[in-house]
Amino acid sequence: AQSVTQLGSHVSVSEGALVLLRCNYSSSVPPYLFWYVQYPNQGLQLLLKYTSAATLVKGINGFEAEFKKSETSFHLTKPSAHMRDAAEYFCAVSRGGNTPLVFGKGTRLSVIA
Amino acid sequence: GAVVSQHPSWVICKSGTSVKIECRSLDFQATTMFWYRQFPKQSLMLMATSNEGSKATYEQGVEKDKFLINHASLTLSTLTVTSAHPEDSSFYICSTPGTGFSGANVLTFGAGSRLTVL
Repeated sequence: AQSVTQLGSHVSVSEGALVLLRCNYSSSVPPYLFWYVQYPNQGLQLLLKYTSAATLVKGINGFEAEFKKSETSFHLTKPSAHMRDAAEYFCAVSRGGNTPLVFGKGTRLSVIA
Repeated sequence: GAVVSQHPSWVICKSGTSVKIECRSLDFQATTMFWYRQFPKQSLMLMATSNEGSKATYEQGVEKDKFLINHASLTLSTLTVTSAHPEDSSFYICSTPGTGFSGANVLTFGAGSRLTVL
């Protein structure tokens, strides 16, 4: 079985500060890992994905994540937070192929002016 | 890129009525469709997986007779919430791997349907 754990249901940062959202995964097979963002009353937007290529993955809107097998982690970072980054962020894992994603509980990011 | 059109985006209905949510894949064939449910301020939980031309596979604890899923064509999958009750109020999202994509399992998501049952 696969699962992801997102540490911290709510993270608050100041505008311009580093954003760090934590995600740890559990998987019996090499995982495919994803980060999605969800704005209020909207669907999901893919930020980035890890598919066993480079361990440092760059995504949209200045976000990136590093796959660390030894730590079973896939933390999401952004050097400088913007007000528009305030949203709900979900980490997800899959086995690949036509299999569904398993989502973490989500982390709500607040950005303070 | 691939687009999944999901309708309605917002629906309010009376208790006891049925509501149908549609997800259409535009410009590609969706052999498989995953249906998720999201309660307020919670994560997405997989409800069922539908494959074109066959019966849907439901996750444990999901009532098959309450949530009817039909995937009669390669471009359309529907979720019908039958005899809806207030506890069925939720955000429903469909997603599909599509076909012909390179890379691993990048799902395309619909925009979601918010159901409110009065």
